[in-house]
Amino acid sequence: DQQVKQNSPSLSVQEGRISILNCDYTNSMFDYFLWYKKYPAEGPTFLISISSIKDKNEDGRFTVFLNKSAKHLSLHIVPSQPGDSAVYFCAASESNFGNEKLTFGTGTRLTIIP
Amino acid sequence: SAVISQKPSRDICQRGTSLTIQCQVDSQVTMMFWYRQQPGQSLTLIATANQGSEATYESGFVIDKFPISRPNLTFSTLTVSNMSPEDSSIYLCSVRAELAVSETQYFGPGTRLLVL
Repeated sequence: DQQVKQNSPSLSVQEGRISILNCDYTNSMFDYFLWYKKYPAEGPTFLISISSIKDKNEDGRFTVFLNKSAKHLSLHIVPSQPGDSAVYFCAASESNFGNEKLTFGTGTRLTIIP
Repeated sequence: SAVISQKPSRDICQRGTSLTIQCQVDSQVTMMFWYRQQPGQSLTLIATANQGSEATYESGFVIDKFPISRPNLTFSTLTVSNMSPEDSSIYLCSVRAELAVSETQYFGPGTRLLVL
């Protein structure tokens, strides 16, 4: 049972435009959400996170939106840059229940077209 | 964030053998984790490495197959025992951020394992 889903395996965006990556989850106990970026032959790099008490968190070019009623989160990157080309994973945890485990989605490969 | 290194970075092994992967952190951390990423798949938690006690394994993973050591707050090892081609994966250790109130985990560079 895939509790965290990224339904788009790939996405191509023109440089300078907005990239929107989507993630859906099924476990209503999840209360903390993260986005990671992964280059080939490297470990995932933490990008941004959001707690369930918020609906938006912004850090520079990266903004994460959380819609709890829809069990949906999205990552917006604007403007998109060639260095943003990577695989993006969303992850979730039940932090309020003391569960440290991160459950990951299957990833979306983002390609920024110069 | 902590600096995490893993050894080896990659290896090619014969079936039936075992490989021990090391994870070193540049600062003391309470929580260390081991994940696996099989080809084309997501990251899956294998176990939580507990300092001074046995690791806590996730469903589907057992100590006999993936023994873990955590002798101190900066180091852990994961052994992949009696390997088969299905064990070909990227193995990653991660640590939880110590200073933040969040559950953010930071990952090492990974160990790419191919079993023939």
